[in-house]
Amino acid sequence: SQQGEEDPQALSIQEGENATMNCSYKTSINNLQWYRQNSGRGLVHLILIRSNEREKHSGRLRVTLDTSKKSSSLLITASRAADTASYFCAASGGSYIPTFGRGTSLIVHP
Amino acid sequence: DTEVTQTPKHLVMGMTNKKSLKCEQHMGHRAMYWYKQKAKKPPELMFVYSYEKLSINESVPSRFSPECPNSSLLNLHLHALQPEDSALYLCASSQDTVRGGYEQYFGPGTRLTVT
Repeated sequence: SQQGEEDPQALSIQEGENATMNCSYKTSINNLQWYRQNSGRGLVHLILIRSNEREKHSGRLRVTLDTSKKSSSLLITASRAADTASYFCAASGGSYIPTFGRGTSLIVHP
Repeated sequence: DTEVTQTPKHLVMGMTNKKSLKCEQHMGHRAMYWYKQKAKKPPELMFVYSYEKLSINESVPSRFSPECPNSSLLNLHLHALQPEDSALYLCASSQDTVRGGYEQYFGPGTRLTVT
């Protein structure tokens, strides 16, 4: 299984602080994606990073990928209360079907 | 239009009922997915359709029956479900499954309760 495992499982911070979530996976991947899910709703795609990329940015989001350590991190800078959600990484191997990790629950206090 | 729609939003059904969940996208995507998600858990892949053909069935019980009538529609037929099947059922689509790994667009889900 390519399943990603997020760390920490839960994160509580104050508005304005940065939030860092980590994801580890087991075998070689072709790409890794990060998704956000607000409570009980559909997932929203944030960033896709391919195995030959090391870093990608999108607005306040920064994703890194270290294939030698089989790990990725998602950094949210200057967090807002609206960033409160669950964040999932999804790793894709040969089948390109992403398999989701257990997620990090982020709470940003106003 | 980058939206995936799902109906109904909520569904309560008895164990002897037959019901269907519907999913629609108009982005020209050729891959569509059904996921099941229990509370505080990640989505679990159930089925993948690629170019309107079932390409992946993750050993899902036969009481769940998927159907892809055309490239824009995906149905999930439900029959003789168990209470443990209560969950959020998510539909997703992507441009393709096998070339380059495309991002998935998710619908808002159907909250299913089996009584």
